[in-house]
Amino acid sequence: ILNVEQSPQSLHVQEGDSTNFTCSFPSSNFYALHWYRWETAKSPEALFVMTLNGDEKKKGRISATLNTKEGYSYLYIKGSQPEDSATYLCASADSNYQLIWGAGTKLIIKP
Amino acid sequence: KAGVTQTPRYLIKTRGQQVTLSCSPISGHRSVSWYQQTPGQGLQFLFEYFSETQRNKGNFPGRFSGRQFSNSRSEMNVSTLELGDSALYLCASSTNTGLDVLTFGAGSRLTVL
Repeated sequence: ILNVEQSPQSLHVQEGDSTNFTCSFPSSNFYALHWYRWETAKSPEALFVMTLNGDEKKKGRISATLNTKEGYSYLYIKGSQPEDSATYLCASADSNYQLIWGAGTKLIIKP
Repeated sequence: KAGVTQTPRYLIKTRGQQVTLSCSPISGHRSVSWYQQTPGQGLQFLFEYFSETQRNKGNFPGRFSGRQFSNSRSEMNVSTLELGDSALYLCASSTNTGLDVLTFGAGSRLTVL
């Protein structure tokens, strides 16, 4: 059974600052790594799916990297804005198509 | 294209009753997953269906069950409701869970009194 861990659990960032957080997953039996943003009172929204070691994906001010050999992914947010406040979830998929979810990093942007 | 549709959006039941929730995936999506979210908790995986077959199952008691129809619509059922079953139930669809992003519905909020 995979165990996906996210750190930190929560994070307060000043508006305009950049930030990053981590998703760790067992590197064996790895298939894909997902990132989602979950805003309060809304449903989770997909950010990225990455599969290859060294993958880098970008969506506006948000980007992510993947290291499948050591089992981690970083999510970066450049120039944080209040609308970035959300819980960021990662999930690792194995070859049986099962997604194992981390507990999330709650990001709060201070104006 | 239409998103993932969950019905009902809100419902109130009493202990001991049973409930059925419905999820209509995005057209062309064959995988439907169900999740439970309770206050202070993250997403707890219930089960995933692909082409009418349960492919993966989370650690929930047998009171929680589901099925998927030939048109990919899915239902989940909870029997003998308990107070602790009060939660937001989310479903998500994809072309194939794992490699493809999940698109989530708005959820069904169940309150058990």
